[in-house]
Amino acid sequence: DSGVTQTPKHLITATGQRVTLRCSPRSGDLSVYWYQQSLDQGLQFLIQYYNGEERAKGNILERFSAQQFPDLHSELNLSSLELGDSALYFCASSLGQDSYEQYFGPGTRLTVT
Amino acid sequence: GEDVEQSLFLSVREGDSSVINCTYTDSSSTYLYWYKQEPGAGLQLLTYIFSNMDMKQDQRLTVLLNKKDKHLSLRIADTQTGDSAIYFCAERDNYGQNFVFGPGTRLSVLP
Repeated sequence: DSGVTQTPKHLITATGQRVTLRCSPRSGDLSVYWYQQSLDQGLQFLIQYYNGEERAKGNILERFSAQQFPDLHSELNLSSLELGDSALYFCASSLGQDSYEQYFGPGTRLTVT
Repeated sequence: GEDVEQSLFLSVREGDSSVINCTYTDSSSTYLYWYKQEPGAGLQLLTYIFSNMDMKQDQRLTVLLNKKDKHLSLRIADTQTGDSAIYFCAERDNYGQNFVFGPGTRLSVLP
């Protein structure tokens, strides 16, 4: 158990809808990272937040957004969902903004029908 | 841009050594990582190596880094059935802002 929690575990929704994925980092960690894992794209870095501020941006679509709250939990919002958004979404956390170790949560499996 | 390559599949017999290989393109990578993903689970950090090191050993795991060839390998000694998983190689850029993962190598351990 990495100490990173993600909810929900599974999510099934229809195209065009909007969903919110939630992540709680390990106790004491200030950075949260979001990743998308799909069969065709592999594991892709989406975005990083550090202590409430956006720190780095990867291959995140404009339809997706994220935020980190004062209690350090983070939410990833996915809107106007398409079939191709079906994937595993992982959250990871680390102590600092440039920490070399990241700890991953169990993931949220999103299925768009 | 940055790219990390791995072979997709590896099969070994229980008790043999496994060697999983990875190549990367970003010569400014500061840290290189190995993660393990078991079915239905998240990624578990196995080990990492700084770019100024050649080798790191941790129990049954040995990481070798050839910086000149941008080649990283993970050796698992005395491979067990519990080692069956997907192993991801990853690099972190010099600015510490991005992790780039390889496609993963699916290791199958045969009895």
